Parts: sequence; C-alpha cells; structure tokens
Amino acid sequence: IAGITQAPTSQILAAGRRMTLRCTQDMRHNAMYWYRQDLGLGLRLIHYSNTAGTTGKGEVPDGYSVSRANTDDFPLTLASAVPSQTSVYFCASSVGGDTDTQYFGPGTRLTVL
Amino acid sequence: GQNIDQPTEMTATEGAIVQINCTYQTSGFNGLFWYQQHAGEAPTFLSYNVLDGLEEKGRFSSFLSRSKGYSYLLLKELQMKDSASYLCAVKNSNYQLIWGAGTKLIIKP
Repeated sequence: IAGITQAPTSQILAAGRRMTLRCTQDMRHNAMYWYRQDLGLGLRLIHYSNTAGTTGKGEVPDGYSVSRANTDDFPLTLASAVPSQTSVYFCASSVGGDTDTQYFGPGTRLTVL
Repeated sequence: GQNIDQPTEMTATEGAIVQINCTYQTSGFNGLFWYQQHAGEAPTFLSYNVLDGLEEKGRFSSFLSRSKGYSYLLLKELQMKDSASYLCAVKNSNYQLIWGAGTKLIIKP
C-alpha cells in the first residue's frame, strides 16, 4: 500500500452499537488525525496523535476515543453510536512539526440510524 | 472564536480565471493551506503560505496578507476537471488546522 487507507468505505450502523473505524498509513508519518466532515461545515478535528503512544483531543472529541499503539495505525472508536455521529470521517497524517502538510485518507461514510 | 470565511459557491467558464477569497480570524497564525476536494473524495493539498505575498504553482497561485487576515487562491486557464470544492485552512497557535466550509467551484463550458 502507499499512503493512507481507511476501512470500511461506508457503514450503516444502528444507534447504540459500537464501531471502530480503521486507519493505516505506510509513510512513517509521526502525526495522525481524525476529522469529521458535515455538509456546510468545515472539517472538524476529533482527535489527534503527535507520535506513537500519545493522543490528544480536538474540537469535537465527545463520544469518540482513539489509540496509537504504533506509528502506522490510528483507530477511531464510537463506543455507543448516536445519529448525530452520521458523517464522513477522514483520517490524515503528517510528518510532524509545526507547519507541515496533512495528507488524507479516502474517508469512511458512516450512517447511524 | 475562530472563524474562516469563504464563499459557498462560485461559477466560472472554462479557460477563464477565478479568484477564491478566504478571510480568517484565529488564535494565532502558523500558516495557511489550500486544499482541493472533488465530490466524494479526500482533500488534496494545493498550497501553503506562511509569509505575505504570492506563491505560484503552475496554473494555481495563492496569496496571503497576514495583516488583513486574508488569502486568495487564483486558478488560471480553468479546465473542467477544476470543478471541485476548495478548502481554506489556518494553522493556529496550537498548531491545529481550523477549516473553512469550502467553496464549491462550478466550471461551465
């Protein structure tokens, strides 16, 4: 693989169910990010990780959790999905550093009913 | 609060030039990014400005004025494949990106 992959591509989920969105990068980037994108709004940061073993909260972290056990993987978990979490989720990565560029995965379209 | 403003939608003609504006109010400034996003796809990086002035990359140029909190993306010799949304984002004092809602650019033949 080259770049960032996300799985699944899309998912329909019943409210209250647990769901993990997967993200893997093979660029050896230090930093990784999870965003959600909703119609009419800018991308909003959910959680981020500046390096393996560390994570931080973004603008909209409630209802989501992440882990960063190694450099390549950064899964996002919805412990108990709610309809307001219906969105397109993008994972991104960057080399790290103050002004570096973020590169995005293809996204996961999640619908919570 | 932090705010990035850009027009919701613009229309232009194939072969023409279009300028997409972005104004920002953020807590600190550590650079401004422009991304392109085709419908149903991921954002892809176009340009980065941290100093005032114009950065040119082929048909695309980006301008920044930090004192005015203003940037624009200039697209020349428009092609049908340029139909996409253009996202403006500012890296704030916490080095987090704050994103505008994007400008949908429609190119007509």
